[in-house]
Amino acid sequence: DTEVTQTPKHLVMGMTNKKSLKCEQHMGHRAMYWYKQKAKKPPELMFVYSYEKLSINESVPSRFSPECPNSSLLNLHLHALQPEDSALYLCASSQIPTQAIGYTFGSGTRLTVV
Amino acid sequence: AQSVTQLGSHVSVSEGALVLLRCNYSSSVPPYLFWYVQYPNQGLQLLLKYTTGATLVKGINGFEAEFKKSETSFHLTKPSAHMSDAAEYFCAVSVSNSGYALNFGKGTSLLVTP
Repeated sequence: DTEVTQTPKHLVMGMTNKKSLKCEQHMGHRAMYWYKQKAKKPPELMFVYSYEKLSINESVPSRFSPECPNSSLLNLHLHALQPEDSALYLCASSQIPTQAIGYTFGSGTRLTVV
Repeated sequence: AQSVTQLGSHVSVSEGALVLLRCNYSSSVPPYLFWYVQYPNQGLQLLLKYTTGATLVKGINGFEAEFKKSETSFHLTKPSAHMSDAAEYFCAVSVSNSGYALNFGKGTSLLVTP
């Protein structure tokens, strides 16, 4: 298995909803990442997990809450989002946290906040 | 911190013509460099990457890039453009002090005309 799988592919949520994005990989990668991509813009880093521990938080608002329950799973919990949070959310993984080896992106979750 | 700059937000070529997308990097340490392609409403697909070794890197779909340390460049080329090459192209560098997350350039939109 050489893929990063993200679910759901599309999500529409209201500003008072709570939802979660899921990311899964079975390549034995020990670094996992969340990126946010707005339309016509490059992806921007949100969080980095290294050996299941949060190592980087790029000053992301607390309405985004990451979780790494095990080495294969990465979740992004969403609560009280704003319309400007509508974007493509990309998950990625890398073989080891100290080198960009085997860097792999998922196909993303397209989020719309209404 | 490592960064990349993509020259030209839009590039237009005729079908069959040479494709040249420019990327310059800034890094105080040997960089890991990547080129990704993104088709409309899709995720990121890796075209090629440079880590160490041979400076001319061949990727998928006939693309290649050459790492030139003296010019701090990693330009992407393809000898003959095809209509299906029309997409957004991102150059990226891995950032050592951010868990080797990727720092993306602003992107270049490639238009291929008949």
